[in-house]
Amino acid sequence: DTAVSQTPKYLVTQMGNDKSIKCEQNLGHDTMYWYKQDSKKFLKIMFSYNNKELIINETVPNRFSPKSPDKAHLNLHINSLELGDSAVYFCASSQSPARSYNEQFFGPGTRLTVL
Amino acid sequence: GENVEQHPSTLSVQEGDSAVIKCTYSDSASNYFPWYKQELGKRPQLIIDIRSNVGEKKDQRIAVTLNKTAKHFSLHITETQPEDSAVYFCASRNFNKFYFGSGTKLNVKP
Repeated sequence: DTAVSQTPKYLVTQMGNDKSIKCEQNLGHDTMYWYKQDSKKFLKIMFSYNNKELIINETVPNRFSPKSPDKAHLNLHINSLELGDSAVYFCASSQSPARSYNEQFFGPGTRLTVL
Repeated sequence: GENVEQHPSTLSVQEGDSAVIKCTYSDSASNYFPWYKQELGKRPQLIIDIRSNVGEKKDQRIAVTLNKTAKHFSLHITETQPEDSAVYFCASRNFNKFYFGSGTKLNVKP
């Protein structure tokens, strides 16, 4: 009964390549997020989508492009990968802030290693 | 934007002792404060949360306190057990934005 799932779990690639990470949630939530967790364990929000619309776009290089085909999916595409992109990327979902209960549920993470 | 500071960065306690982790935030519009536990190689998981209209909340061995005036909130774990060892993150929410503290690595020694 996976609530928030991500694929792939591990991704090893060369510098300069383009890669995508997929996220799906089956909780009926209308808000989804992407976070980056670096080697020091800092969790930093990158993007947030509400009902397929981008509502948060933190200071992230435009090599990162999120895409939300529907409320249950939020994918992350990364162009021209750099060494500094190596991290664990977490997808998360929650109900919109308009609702009273707003717990975030995290996916299992995707460990990206850029060589 | 919001700035969440978390202390200490590491905490080592003896099994059975209490552990306290503290966070401060800067944006007075923040209204929801969750705490997450992240075990090695796993995803962050919510362990307790508190809303801005509440001063304290308890769930078995875990409690959270919030001081809105001072803009700080704390996690209290009593009777710690080795399985409490993990990284703990505080966070604050302002509308759709969640800001996380830098994490506290808790080590409970048996």
